[in-house]
Amino acid sequence: ELKVEQNPLFLSMQEGKNYTIYCNYSTTSDRLYWYRQDPGKSLESLFVLLSNGAVKQEGRLMASLDTKARLSTLHITAAVHDLSATYFCAVGKGTSGSRLTFGEGTQLTVNP
Amino acid sequence: EAGVVQSPRYKIIEKKQPVAFWCNPISGHNTLYWYRQNLGQGPELLIRYENEEAVDDSQLPKDRFSAERLKGVDSTLKIQPAELGDSAVYLCASSLRTSGAYEQYFGPGTRLTVT
Repeated sequence: ELKVEQNPLFLSMQEGKNYTIYCNYSTTSDRLYWYRQDPGKSLESLFVLLSNGAVKQEGRLMASLDTKARLSTLHITAAVHDLSATYFCAVGKGTSGSRLTFGEGTQLTVNP
Repeated sequence: EAGVVQSPRYKIIEKKQPVAFWCNPISGHNTLYWYRQNLGQGPELLIRYENEEAVDDSQLPKDRFSAERLKGVDSTLKIQPAELGDSAVYLCASSLRTSGAYEQYFGPGTRLTVT
């Protein structure tokens, strides 16, 4: 059974600081997705990582994938309050990674 | 382009009552998913459709849950009878296979409260 673990589960940080969220998974996969969820809202797709060594960046967020270590990271650079949300990683299995197993989520709070 | 549409957004019912949720995916997306998200957790897949065929329903509690996607477009998820433990947000998502991946787009969800 595929297990996806995120850490930390809760993260409180100051504006301007850098931090990394980790996503470990238990079985081989080369499809890794990151989503953002604001309170009471649905999930917004951030990144799709499709191969070992994949790195994608959007604004202050950068995601990477190491399939050999079964690890993905979401790095936050110079955090701002607008980044406060819950971030989920999801590992894709099955046909083209269509069957997603989500982690528990990391609740990020960026304080002024 | 319109996103995934779900209704109702909120539903409160008493236990043992039936309930149904409706989803209209993004136009042209032939893959549709239903997820359940419990408070403080990530979504869990209930069922996946490719067009009108349910290709992955291993996580669907078939004793009380049913789903259909008759014309390969919109879909309905039903619970009968509902139990207290069914209180959750039910999310619908759709995707189109591009570049070897299924990037899923989620609807706003239906928040179900069973009393």
